[in-house]
Amino acid sequence: NAGVTQTPKFRVLKTGQSMTLLCAQDMNHEYMYWYRQDPGMGLRLIHYSVGEGTTAKGEVPDGYNVSRLKKQNFLLGLESAAPSQTSVYFCASSSRWEALDNEQFFGPGTRLTVL
Amino acid sequence: SQQGEEDPQALSIQEGENATMNCSYKTSINNLQWYRQNSGRGLVHLILIRSNEREKHSGRLRVTLDTSKKSSSLLITASRAADTASYFCATDPTYNQGGKLIFGQGTELSVKP
Repeated sequence: NAGVTQTPKFRVLKTGQSMTLLCAQDMNHEYMYWYRQDPGMGLRLIHYSVGEGTTAKGEVPDGYNVSRLKKQNFLLGLESAAPSQTSVYFCASSSRWEALDNEQFFGPGTRLTVL
Repeated sequence: SQQGEEDPQALSIQEGENATMNCSYKTSINNLQWYRQNSGRGLVHLILIRSNEREKHSGRLRVTLDTSKKSSSLLITASRAADTASYFCATDPTYNQGGKLIFGQGTELSVKP
């Protein structure tokens, strides 16, 4: 099992460009999450999904959109990238059936630089 | 806003010493979890303690939880150079839905050989 995978691993964008980050998990998890990690800020939740076809806003959703068309995939889109979106992006998943033990499984991250 | 605040922000010790990291949070929780992040990697789950538990062990890890003080500590005994990493606490607040966790800012641990 690959667990949680993220594509791409690195990307450099110019201001105003768009891109999509792909997250895939093979654990049949219902819940999926997108975080960003900045120095000294810990992890901040951007958007999350509790199941196929559903998405919800997290702590810092502005400038991002997401889609969960298939249970195993969670896409994060930047429509018009800004330098403030330079960050490391992590995807994670967890199982709704482990209600008391909602451990999250993380992908390796995508390092995005916006010039 | 960040639920968890960790202390210290950075810790440097010698191999063989114990490392203690603390986490404070603000609201009532279902559980508190600790994660580890090696440089350039994703987070890895270490241990989870439920709100009705006071102490939990896993190998060289010992976690305590004091819900009256809204605080937790992670103790790593007999540390090794390979323990060098950032450690994050994460809380599952009782008001939450969707399994969301709120992460602290982390403690950067350096274990010198």
